[in-house]
Amino acid sequence: GAVVSQHPSRVICKSGTSVKIECRSLDFQATTMFWYRQFPKKSLMLMATSNEGSKATYEQGVEKDKFLINHASLTLSTLTVTSAHPEDSSFYICSANRPGVEAFFGQGTRLTVV
Amino acid sequence: GQNIDQPTEMTATEGAIVQINCTYQTSGFNGLFWYQQHAGEAPTFLSYNVLDGLEEKGRFSSFLSRSKGYSYLLLKELQMKDSASYLCALLLASDYKLSFGAGTTVTVRA
Repeated sequence: GAVVSQHPSRVICKSGTSVKIECRSLDFQATTMFWYRQFPKKSLMLMATSNEGSKATYEQGVEKDKFLINHASLTLSTLTVTSAHPEDSSFYICSANRPGVEAFFGQGTRLTVV
Repeated sequence: GQNIDQPTEMTATEGAIVQINCTYQTSGFNGLFWYQQHAGEAPTFLSYNVLDGLEEKGRFSSFLSRSKGYSYLLLKELQMKDSASYLCALLLASDYKLSFGAGTTVTVRA
């Protein structure tokens, strides 16, 4: 079964609104989670590293005020796309590493901004 | 960067074998992963190499040569459901982040 759960799987929102995506580790504690973005037929691009109890670390070129990350507990990280625009439409995926094991990915969230 | 290179596309026949190569340039990594991703879905773990050599898991095998900066994923007895994108990824030693290649789209034909 899934060890990392991501919700929602699909969301359509109006331009200018904000959307929150949740990522939960189901049977382990994750002090670090990762958020990726994927465009059609492209690879996963790391957006940011979510750190429990501290600020997220953003990759170069990713606007931290646009993509708000909160890692309030050892099993939950959230990504909020603020003031969404059509160019933010993409597939967003989170992952978490169970200690000593490979990364597990959430199911992904297909965001469409209209 | 890690300069992870994979072929863009490959086509093979059902029941055949396909080998997907991955080359990279990096100063250090803990291991090399292979993931399978079907369209519209998240990646799923296939294989992981830390040391040089071959790791076999059923129909899938992965090989790593650190000295040559090279890995491959071998898919045997291809099935239609194996049509997907296959991602090579390095677990970086510096920060434990995964760095992905662009992926190889494999199409299995009857």
